[in-house]
Amino acid sequence: DTGVSQDPRHKITKRGQNVTFRCDPISEHNRLYWYRQTLGQGPEFLTYFQNEAQLEKSRLLSDRFSAERPKGSFSTLEIQRTEQGDSAMYLCASRRTTSGADTQYFGPGTRLTVL
Amino acid sequence: SQQGEEDPQALSIQEGENATMNCSYKTSINNLQWYRQNSGRGLVHLILIRSNEREKHSGRLRVTLDTSKKSSSLLITASRAADTASYFCATVAVGGGADGLTFGKGTHLIIQP
Repeated sequence: DTGVSQDPRHKITKRGQNVTFRCDPISEHNRLYWYRQTLGQGPEFLTYFQNEAQLEKSRLLSDRFSAERPKGSFSTLEIQRTEQGDSAMYLCASRRTTSGADTQYFGPGTRLTVL
Repeated sequence: SQQGEEDPQALSIQEGENATMNCSYKTSINNLQWYRQNSGRGLVHLILIRSNEREKHSGRLRVTLDTSKKSSSLLITASRAADTASYFCATVAVGGGADGLTFGKGTHLIIQP
């Protein structure tokens, strides 16, 4: 399977704990995106990387959230001191930035439940 | 915040009928994309239409774009039970280095056998 992969697929944690999610993009895709989706809503953009550089962060990305892509390949999203409002599906996507390649390809998501 | 609004929010039709969903957005765009999401799963890209295009086809899908009205429509012809899913339109605003997709709330489509 050469699609975007995410790990874990499900995470249950207690309020106040830290969690970390991983995303492996499609090989050779230089852009990687993180989104959050709550029940009944469309995904909301959080941040994106071009190679290892984080180029855009939305206002949704509070200081408890941090994302990294240290070698320009896989990325991690960490949430510190989780709150019940963080319960959501966290989606990762990737794409190439060659001409005409505007499509973002999504992974299966990590569903986070904060108790 | 959600830029787009899909209409209707929910749609139930009989298998074999056509399904039409509409999307409106607020800012100038480079392109508009439609995605499908089965319950609890990731998003599957269906079709992309650029701002200089007015209509695009892919299999049973037909997408139109009216940039003057800031709206798009997705038509699924000869619907099948497997088309049951939520459908989202997504856009990227022009300029400013922004590249994150802005999604609407989606249309939940149910195809009844």
